Amino acid sequence: SAVISQKPSRDICQRGTSLTIQCQVDSQVTMMFWYRQQPGQSLTLIATANQGSEATYESGFVIDKFPISRPNLTFSTLTVSNMSPEDSSIYLCSVDWTGRDYGYTFGSGTRLTVV
Amino acid sequence: DAKTTQPTSMDCAEGRAANLPCNHSTISGNEYVYWYRQIHSQGPQYIIHGLKNNETNEMASLIITEDRKSSTLILPHATLRDTAVYYCIVRATEAGTASKLTFGTGTRLQVTL
Repeated sequence: SAVISQKPSRDICQRGTSLTIQCQVDSQVTMMFWYRQQPGQSLTLIATANQGSEATYESGFVIDKFPISRPNLTFSTLTVSNMSPEDSSIYLCSVDWTGRDYGYTFGSGTRLTVV
Repeated sequence: DAKTTQPTSMDCAEGRAANLPCNHSTISGNEYVYWYRQIHSQGPQYIIHGLKNNETNEMASLIITEDRKSSTLILPHATLRDTAVYYCIVRATEAGTASKLTFGTGTRLQVTL
């Protein structure tokens, strides 16, 4: 299956600042996905990042708050902008390997605490 | 994608089989059943998926009813390391076509000594 490296693994940030999370995949993939998992909750999809086009955001998520870059087929970044304590969550990137019978692969996540 | 219903939590003794049920009564003919699990503080892990037939791999077995309205994930010999939240997800997919996963609340499986 794909190996995903996500950085940073955790961070504590001041409110009003921004954090950029990096996701590196060891193989080329067409689409990458960004999820948020709030404390004690399930995963919620933020957006789908397709190389060479604007990311597609799910309801409740906007580009100004969560800008995404996808410069090539192995890398993506998610920025959490103008953070507030409500943004404290685990953020995960993932890729879909369904076509190769490996299923969906997730990074280990970034645990963000906003103070 | 069709909605799934799972029990909130289950317990299983170590060494016994863990049978995790999932209802997906509105599943469409082209939708697959996927199972993932999330061990504490880690990203979700793919377990198994199937369309109509029962499936088995090194991790688990997936039993899908003939009408496809429900399924059961079976961990044949549960260990303490299988303690996790298990997610049953239904989605349409074709080989090589990426599509998003929608997570429900899952079943929290606690394996005990």
